Amino acid sequence: QKEVEQNSGPLSVPEGAIASLNCTYSDRVSQSFFWYRQYSGKSPELIMSIYSNGDKEDGRFTAQLNKASQYVSLLIRDSQPSDSATYLCAVNSGNTGKLIFGQGTTLQVKP
Amino acid sequence: EADIYQTPRYLVIGTGKKITLECSQTMGHDKMYWYQQDPGMELHLIHYSYGVNSTEKGDLSSESTVSRIRTEHFPLTLESARPSHTSQYLCASSLREQFFGPGTRLTVL
Repeated sequence: QKEVEQNSGPLSVPEGAIASLNCTYSDRVSQSFFWYRQYSGKSPELIMSIYSNGDKEDGRFTAQLNKASQYVSLLIRDSQPSDSATYLCAVNSGNTGKLIFGQGTTLQVKP
Repeated sequence: EADIYQTPRYLVIGTGKKITLECSQTMGHDKMYWYQQDPGMELHLIHYSYGVNSTEKGDLSSESTVSRIRTEHFPLTLESARPSHTSQYLCASSLREQFFGPGTRLTVL
């Protein structure tokens, strides 16, 4: 079992819809959780970080964390074609500062 | 906005050449990282550093080496490039959140 698991997709949603991206992790001591967006050929860009259970909202993005279920998700409201990218879930590895990345979910937003 | 720089952005080089990929950050972060990523594939950590004179190998074995003589600078060196080294190399730094540089796309002929 991978330490951080994501559905590779592609996840296809129509423009204006809500896109829901999910991630599960195996290390119960993880304390920091991140979502990165990566366009094809570009480097990952940090879009959300979350450290405590519950929801965190930033513009059209909402990160949700449930440590008991070892589950973190990202909701993108009013999806735009420019949101089409690969979304990487990352979880810290203990206190090392290292991040464990999932394989990424490809999101396609169709006009 | 994160200030982390990588040079060159693109490099095409012949087999057997020695190359150094540069990475610098102006945020004063102690922790720095090198990742390797092939197109459409996962990120793999190849080296990391927690501060000056501290370097560790990552989860993916790599023939490259790194050094950390200054906080802001974390270069990666390949002594003898081979076609199997063709990939994108991404540098990152962190305090709590990790930020990536633009990457170097390396092609070894």
